[in-house]
Amino acid sequence: AQSVTQLGSHVSVSEGALVLLRCNYSSSVPPYLFWYVQYPNQGLQLLLKYTSAATLVKGINGFEAEFKKSETSFHLTKPSAHMRDAAEYFCAVSEEGTGNQFYFGTGTSLTVIP
Amino acid sequence: DGGITQSPKYLFRKEGQNVTLSCEQNLNHDAMYWYRQDPGQGLRLIYYSQIVNDFQKGDIAEGYSVSREKKESFPLTVTSAQKNPTAFYLCASRRDRENTEAFFGQGTRLTVV
Repeated sequence: AQSVTQLGSHVSVSEGALVLLRCNYSSSVPPYLFWYVQYPNQGLQLLLKYTSAATLVKGINGFEAEFKKSETSFHLTKPSAHMRDAAEYFCAVSEEGTGNQFYFGTGTSLTVIP
Repeated sequence: DGGITQSPKYLFRKEGQNVTLSCEQNLNHDAMYWYRQDPGQGLRLIYYSQIVNDFQKGDIAEGYSVSREKKESFPLTVTSAQKNPTAFYLCASRRDRENTEAFFGQGTRLTVV
């Protein structure tokens, strides 16, 4: 069975500080992993995805994530936070043979302090 | 431009009434999904469909119904049997591959009055 755990439902950082949002997954086979961002009252937008190529994945808006199989993690980082990064972030996992289902974490709300 | 369109953006319903949320995509995707979003609970899967005329229940299907008569369309009906329908509803679509991302609509906020 696959699942996603996002540690920390709320994260606050100062503008210009490092952003680190944590995601751990559980999967019996090599997973496909995704990070999405959601702004208030909007749908989800893809930030980046891991699909078994390079373990360090670069996405939009300066975000990146590293797949670490030994730690079953796919943490999202950004070197320097901007005010516009304030949003809800979701980690999701998909795997072969599951009928195309995504499994989402419960989300992390990022606040950027000026 | 290709994408997913959900309508309406805001919807108000009286208790005891059925209501249908629209979801249309022109991405030629086979798979489509409906999620419900409540504060602090992330996205919960209501129904999904991998092909026309076929769909499967997700984790919280009770009180909801769907149809998939056309590849482009996957409407969701919230019935009077749904005890707490006030929520934000998101539709998504995806190519028929597990390594591809899902594309999301802008959502419909349903409020029961």
